[in-house]
Amino acid sequence: AQKITQTQPGMFVQEKEAVTLDCTYDTSDPSYGLFWYKQPSSGEMIFLIYQGSYDQQNATEGRYSLNFQKARKSANLVISASQLGDSAMYFCAMREGIDDYKLSFGAGTTVTVRA
Amino acid sequence: DTGVSQDPRHKITKRGQNVTFRCDPISEHNRLYWYRQTLGQGPEFLTYFQNEAQLEKSRLLSDRFSAERPKGSFSTLEIQRTEQGDSAMYLCASSRGQGIADTQYFGPGTRLTVL
Repeated sequence: AQKITQTQPGMFVQEKEAVTLDCTYDTSDPSYGLFWYKQPSSGEMIFLIYQGSYDQQNATEGRYSLNFQKARKSANLVISASQLGDSAMYFCAMREGIDDYKLSFGAGTTVTVRA
Repeated sequence: DTGVSQDPRHKITKRGQNVTFRCDPISEHNRLYWYRQTLGQGPEFLTYFQNEAQLEKSRLLSDRFSAERPKGSFSTLEIQRTEQGDSAMYLCASSRGQGIADTQYFGPGTRLTVL
């Protein structure tokens, strides 16, 4: 079964507007971590933000925030005040359990910011 | 810290040839990971090391693939008798190995094309 589902293959957003990228996950482990990465056309995966399963508050990092809804098993990324440099592929990933170190990635969402 | 580096960035080879990729992790990161990413997909886990010990290998890693991390520093990934299906981006990541929030930082990747 797919552990991470990203249902939006591509999105367009106007510069300076906010955009929400959807991510749902599937795990039975009570301890897990959720990560978002950005992959520009150059190919390097850039870490953006992390949310732990026991974290009480939604994570924020600058213009990035994570809308974590544990009961719905969703961890949507919100990018505020979009910039042209935000155009990239965005991946949601999960690490299950404290003894499992690998990341399981979704298929990604392509974001294109329009001027 | 300097980031994760990978060499070469691009490799074109003929089917049946052997190739070797190198990854230099962030210094003092004791965990090192290899992922494979095909076009339009998220990265898929291949293997990971804690120091010099290879602790997990994915079923994706056929007998033609071998990875090493001598002395717990840099790592190499070798593919023997390459096939066209091996064409992909090979990503290396490293992490400190501290807790559930342990964040993996990725290198720029090696893009392999098998003709």
